[in-house]
Amino acid sequence: GNSVTQMEGPVTLSEEAFLTINCTYTATGYPSLFWYVQYPGEGLQLLLKATKADDKGSNKGFEATYRKETTSFHLEKGSVQVSDSAVYFCALGRGADGLTFGKGTHLIIQP
Amino acid sequence: DVKVTQSSRYLVKRTGEKVFLECVQDMDHENMFWYRQDPGLGLRLIYFSYDVKMKEKGDIPEGYSVSREKKERFSLILESASTNQTSMYLCASSVAGGITDTQYFGPGTRLTVL
Repeated sequence: GNSVTQMEGPVTLSEEAFLTINCTYTATGYPSLFWYVQYPGEGLQLLLKATKADDKGSNKGFEATYRKETTSFHLEKGSVQVSDSAVYFCALGRGADGLTFGKGTHLIIQP
Repeated sequence: DVKVTQSSRYLVKRTGEKVFLECVQDMDHENMFWYRQDPGLGLRLIYFSYDVKMKEKGDIPEGYSVSREKKERFSLILESASTNQTSMYLCASSVAGGITDTQYFGPGTRLTVL
């Protein structure tokens, strides 16, 4: 079946550090891949997505590339800010059947 | 902007009570979903619906039911609440179509069952 594995947290970084959050998946076919972000006390917001192999999704300085050969969709940002502190979820799309989520990575950015 | 609203942000109920969680979306989306979010488990799909009066079981439907009488509204029902249903419940919606569909989430309802 479908599954998503992402690195355990919390991940603590200093402001302006480089960020990588690893995400790998198992799926039949060629799912779309997503990163969602959840700020404290809020619901999930779409951060970026990629719909086919080698696509790169990007938003707010974050990037992730759909790598079919390694079944990965790692999230990266060159210089993080305190305001990036949140929980990040990697997910794969099952069409109208919903999303399969990873367990989430809690990111803490210290000034 | 797409807006998904949930009837309550916080809810406290007693074991055995019947609980209704309401979700409304204003973008005429065909698909609607209910997830629960638990620490260390991420989000898990409870039920979803791709049309009025249609419903499909997700990954963890036991102890829950749903109702979709109108396109914009999707209700999650706990017939007899139990303490292991204490969780954050998130509703989402998306347009009909293929696997590229983005889901839009509501703010969540934090349910505590005593």
